[in-house]
Amino acid sequence: EAQVTQNPRYLITVTGKKLTVTCSQNMNHEYMSWYRQDPGLGLRQIYYSMNVEVTDKGDVPEGYKVSRKEKRNFPLILESPSPNQTSLYFCASSLRSLTDTQYFGPGTRLTVL
Amino acid sequence: AQTVTQSQPEMSVQEAETVTLSCTYDTSESDYYLFWYKQPPSRQMILVIRQEAYKQQNATENRFSVNFQKAAKSFSLKISDSQLGDAAMYFCAYRPPLGGGSEKLVFGKGTKLTVNP
Repeated sequence: EAQVTQNPRYLITVTGKKLTVTCSQNMNHEYMSWYRQDPGLGLRQIYYSMNVEVTDKGDVPEGYKVSRKEKRNFPLILESPSPNQTSLYFCASSLRSLTDTQYFGPGTRLTVL
Repeated sequence: AQTVTQSQPEMSVQEAETVTLSCTYDTSESDYYLFWYKQPPSRQMILVIRQEAYKQQNATENRFSVNFQKAAKSFSLKISDSQLGDAAMYFCAYRPPLGGGSEKLVFGKGTKLTVNP
């Protein structure tokens, strides 16, 4: 089944404790992206990747890191999480670019205490 | 910077009726893409419909259609014969034209649609 998977689905952590949210797709997509969703703010793009070893900032990259060492994986790293990073995070992928249909993962609910 | 505005935080419709969700955007570009995404209570984001700015014909997908007014920078979504399964958050999104290596997507804040039986 073609899908985007994220792990973990739920995470509660404390300020300053490094964490990684994994994202994997099995559709051989080149484009991958991370978004955060906050009430009243909609979705905002954090980082995106056009292909392996090619990443770029979205609108809210501060406090996040990404890497794209393999085509299928695009992990989101929070080196020192803070409470303002409490949010719902989505990973998405598309064949080559945003003109292609984006497929979203199920979301990761992150709480930083 | 491009912005996307959804002026209706919440809307409701009776089952089988028609509802229109509004979206306006701000851009100085002429060639871009617009999207409507649906997020049901399951939180799964699903693409509903897309519109390429250089195409004058309004996009249609079954019961979903758009009214794209390029000069007015308006991109509304019409849902015909509303069904209970249409209840969801709906997000309008804008993608700038290719070029400059940027491939960003800008979302509106969303409209929560309730469908009443």
